[in-house]
Amino acid sequence: DQQVKQNSPSLSVQEGRISILNCDYTNSMFDYFLWYKKYPAEGPTFLISISSIKDKNEDGRFTVFLNKSAKHLSLHIVPSQPGDSAVYFCAASARGGATNKLIFGTGTLLAVQP
Amino acid sequence: GAVVSQHPSWVICKSGTSVKIECRSLDFQATTMFWYRQFPKQSLMLMATSNEGSKATYEQGVEKDKFLINHASLTLSTLTVTSAHPEDSSFYICSARAGAANQPQHFGDGTRLSIL
Repeated sequence: DQQVKQNSPSLSVQEGRISILNCDYTNSMFDYFLWYKKYPAEGPTFLISISSIKDKNEDGRFTVFLNKSAKHLSLHIVPSQPGDSAVYFCAASARGGATNKLIFGTGTLLAVQP
Repeated sequence: GAVVSQHPSWVICKSGTSVKIECRSLDFQATTMFWYRQFPKQSLMLMATSNEGSKATYEQGVEKDKFLINHASLTLSTLTVTSAHPEDSSFYICSARAGAANQPQHFGDGTRLSIL
């Protein structure tokens, strides 16, 4: 049972344009969402997070939008740069849980073309 | 800040041997550390959660006698894969979190384990 889904395994975007990565979840108990970026043979790097009390969080070129009614979140990167090319994972947790463990999606490979 | 170091980055060993992987938080105290496993083109799957000074909590289907986790200090957790077999070959990644649940997990660079 995949509680966090990233339905697009890959995305290709031109440099300077906007990248939009999508993520859907099924567990209504999730109240904390994160995006991580991962290069090959490296661990994920934390990018940005959002609590369920918000619907938007912005940090520089990265903005995360949360639509609780649709159980959907998205990561916008603008402008996209070649160095943004990586696999992006969304993750969710229910902070009221005993361990607050993260459930990860399967990732989306973003390729930013120069 | 929030640097997590994982060692070794790559291990090749014979079937039947035990392998220890270390995870250190270099610039913060990690009250909770997590161990994940990732198969090719799949998501990170949580194996276990450990809190400093207490026994690890294993996810369903993860053999605690095979994957020994020790979290003896606020900056170090170890995962020992005992009597490793080829099916244990995978990418193992640790993460660490300081304090409260609203803090993000910070990941090490992972360990590629290949069992011959």
